Amino acid sequence: GAVVSQHPSWVICKSGTSVKIECRSLDFQATTMFWYRQFPKQSLMLMATSNEGSKATYEQGVEKDKFLINHASLTLSTLTVTSAHPEDSSFYICSARDRPGTSHEQFFGPGTRLTVL
Amino acid sequence: GDSVTQMEGPVTLSEEAFLTINCTYTATGYPSLFWYVQYPGEGLQLLLKATKADDKGSNKGFEATYRKETTSFHLEKGSVQVSDSAVYFCALSQYNTDKLIFGTGTRLQVFP
Repeated sequence: GAVVSQHPSWVICKSGTSVKIECRSLDFQATTMFWYRQFPKQSLMLMATSNEGSKATYEQGVEKDKFLINHASLTLSTLTVTSAHPEDSSFYICSARDRPGTSHEQFFGPGTRLTVL
Repeated sequence: GDSVTQMEGPVTLSEEAFLTINCTYTATGYPSLFWYVQYPGEGLQLLLKATKADDKGSNKGFEATYRKETTSFHLEKGSVQVSDSAVYFCALSQYNTDKLIFGTGTRLQVFP
């Protein structure tokens, strides 16, 4: 099946620094990638949807200047958490879809745990 | 808005026991329903899905039936194995949208 990787799997940073998380589709071209955030014992919440070569679409309440998303190629999307603060500590998960349509199947990465001190 | 509610875990079972993980939803119209599974250290994987009322999704011995009258999509398996230990997520998606709405996940632990 389709494989999606994330890097790093975990990261610890100081408050005020920026952190970049990569999401790669390893064996398919991902026209659309999604970024989710998951708090302990809570659902995955969609943060934004990105289509290759265009600006990301952010969900209501997600600060686009805080969470910068770049989808510059068909196999790579990045999420940069700018000026991170302890409240940004969370589990970030990406997913990718290989072609538009109504099948809804998304292939998920293993997630990145961010801890901001 | 649309939402998914699933039972809290962990669910702890002995091998070969019967499994039920409850999932109910609130949504307008006729959403598609999904079960995803996350094995330790891996990403979520689609386990099964159903796109209309009374459809039954099945895969790897797991089944779930789309019950519109009770707005439910309970996951069942007749005989669980240790290898089924994972976190299971129920989710819905409205027609022709990309957005998946997830439940909180239920951890299943199966002991030999």
